[in-house]
Amino acid sequence: GQNIDQPTEMTATEGAIVQINCTYQTSGFNGLFWYQQHAGEAPTFLSYNVLDGLEEKGRFSSFLSRSKGYSYLLLKELQMKDSASYLCAVRGNQAGTALIFGKGTTLSVSS
Amino acid sequence: GAVVSQHPSWVICKSGTSVKIECRSLDFQATTMFWYRQFPKQSLMLMATSNEGSKATYEQGVEKDKFLINHASLTLSTLTVTSAHPEDSSFYICSASQGVSQPQHFGDGTRLSIL
Repeated sequence: GQNIDQPTEMTATEGAIVQINCTYQTSGFNGLFWYQQHAGEAPTFLSYNVLDGLEEKGRFSSFLSRSKGYSYLLLKELQMKDSASYLCAVRGNQAGTALIFGKGTTLSVSS
Repeated sequence: GAVVSQHPSWVICKSGTSVKIECRSLDFQATTMFWYRQFPKQSLMLMATSNEGSKATYEQGVEKDKFLINHASLTLSTLTVTSAHPEDSSFYICSASQGVSQPQHFGDGTRLSIL
């Protein structure tokens, strides 16, 4: 079966660093994606990993280990506007197929 | 960058009404688009894969006769919720990608409320 796990909620303070973990078990792998979703809005794309290692993009970085079925999203220098839900999603066997989403991690950033 | 436009943003209508939602890729052609549904505080659930020029592929448990999908051109897919009922109230979101290995980009979503 398909299973993507991530923590339900996390809290952090402004300026801090937070790591959101994601583990997956899918019947194929063709990339792992992280999206940010603010309440009432559609998800916006943050990062994409298809090979093992770290992808850095400004304050956000994402790491992938395919052998462990594991990824994390690292957010640095947290800002209040980073309070949102972070969705881990995996694309299955074939390129061009739909994403399978985890339930999302709600991050609350306080001052 | 890739832009996906979705219309309308909000729909409030009476039970039994049919509602059409449009999803357009604005600056690229998309042979495949995806329709998701999201209930409050839950994650996105794939409803169907919309294929240009052919029938949509529906996920298990999604009624194809209730959720009609038409992908008549490379830039437009439509989802029609037929004879909508209050339990169909949800946030419907479409997505598309520029290429088979590219990330999916989402439309702004349509919040559907059936009274």
